[in-house]
Amino acid sequence: QKEVEQNSGPLSVPEGAIASLNCTYSDRVSQSFFWYRQYSGKSPELIMSIYSNGDKEDGRFTAQLNKASQYVSLLIRDSQPSDSATYLCAVRYGGSQGNLIFGKGTKLSVKP
Amino acid sequence: DTEVTQTPKHLVMGMTNKKSLKCEQHMGHRAMYWYKQKAKKPPELMFVYSYEKLSINESVPSRFSPECPNSSLLNLHLHALQPEDSALYLCASSQEHRLSYEQYFGPGTRLTVT
Repeated sequence: QKEVEQNSGPLSVPEGAIASLNCTYSDRVSQSFFWYRQYSGKSPELIMSIYSNGDKEDGRFTAQLNKASQYVSLLIRDSQPSDSATYLCAVRYGGSQGNLIFGKGTKLSVKP
Repeated sequence: DTEVTQTPKHLVMGMTNKKSLKCEQHMGHRAMYWYKQKAKKPPELMFVYSYEKLSINESVPSRFSPECPNSSLLNLHLHALQPEDSALYLCASSQEHRLSYEQYFGPGTRLTVT
């Protein structure tokens, strides 16, 4: 059974702080990793994708991947109240037609 | 442009009704997906179309019937649904149904079955 695990939260951080969201996955064959942000009542929005070990930065967001530890994380710098949402980690497993497996999501709350 | 559109935004239907959900993308993507999402749960894959052919059906009940009329359009036909089918139905697309291609979601249709 391929699994993607996330702490459901809520994770509460003060405005301006760094929010750190973590995700672990069960299958070493995994190749592609994605972070989606979902506001309440809205659809998931892709914010980061990462495919190789190391860090990938995009604006205030940094995704980190460690395949040896089967761990992917998302850092949000200078957190804003507008970042308050549920963050879904998604992993695409090996095989030519691997489906996305989603974690249950971490709810982030950024307090002014 | 990474826009996927879905209509209607909201739908209320009785258990004997027949209705359809529509999804459209103009990004030239060749893979399209239907997901179902219940409150406080992650999206669950229902169907995958790759190059207009159904490639994955995740054991979805036959009261849900997908259709891909062309590479830009995806429909989900609904018939004799149950109240437990009430959920947010999400359409997504990606360049191809392969490992590294990102999936982009539409805004969803909020379905209520009465």
